[in-house]
Amino acid sequence: QSALTQPASVSGSPGQSITISCTGTSSDVGGYNYVSWYQQHPGKAPKLIIYDVTNRPSGVSNRFSGSKSGDTASLTISGLQAEDEADYYCSSYTSDNVVFGRGTKLTVL
Amino acid sequence: EVQVLESGGGLVQPGGSLRLSCAASGFTFSIYGMGWVRQAPGKGLEWVSTITSSGDGRAYADSVKGRFTISRDNSRDTLYLQMNSLRAEDTAIYYCVSWCSGGACYFQHWGQGTLVTVSS
Repeated sequence: QSALTQPASVSGSPGQSITISCTGTSSDVGGYNYVSWYQQHPGKAPKLIIYDVTNRPSGVSNRFSGSKSGDTASLTISGLQAEDEADYYCSSYTSDNVVFGRGTKLTVL
Repeated sequence: EVQVLESGGGLVQPGGSLRLSCAASGFTFSIYGMGWVRQAPGKGLEWVSTITSSGDGRAYADSVKGRFTISRDNSRDTLYLQMNSLRAEDTAIYYCVSWCSGGACYFQHWGQGTLVTVSS
């Protein structure tokens, strides 16, 4: 149950786009289309923003998008806004467990 | 409106036990798998355990296997986590989460969390 690999931090200016990667193995990210992404603001509970690699829950901005290639999933945030500054976690479901990434801190400059 | 409300956290000595509860409302509890995710102070998210909608299937992280037991009462729309032989490294905020439904598996609904502190 090794954690998925994410960059510790990324940054961007308002209006720009950023991408956060999430690398696993063929046993998790690469083997299933069950990658999800969560946004967490300080002191708050996480919030689901992407599920099943590419799908957005109702109410989540279309500035958030997900993709996957091989063992690496990605979250792209376009048109960065100050409110996007938060921690982001990827997660993958496998046959018998769930694994999270270590998290990426997004700073909006 | 979906509500997920955890309770039962607190301060416990190493080796002690604690039982967390999670009351859910606003969605059909009995058709969702449910689970627990924790977050140690200043750290990332860690999956702890999940249970199927009927309660007949359970999975645990290696770090808690043999010490924690997840269960549910669909008549009360309530999820539980029995935590025994607690260690300092179990100190964390414990979030109750909804899990699989209709073949789709992701943590959709989250509670605000309950803090468990293991310390002498």
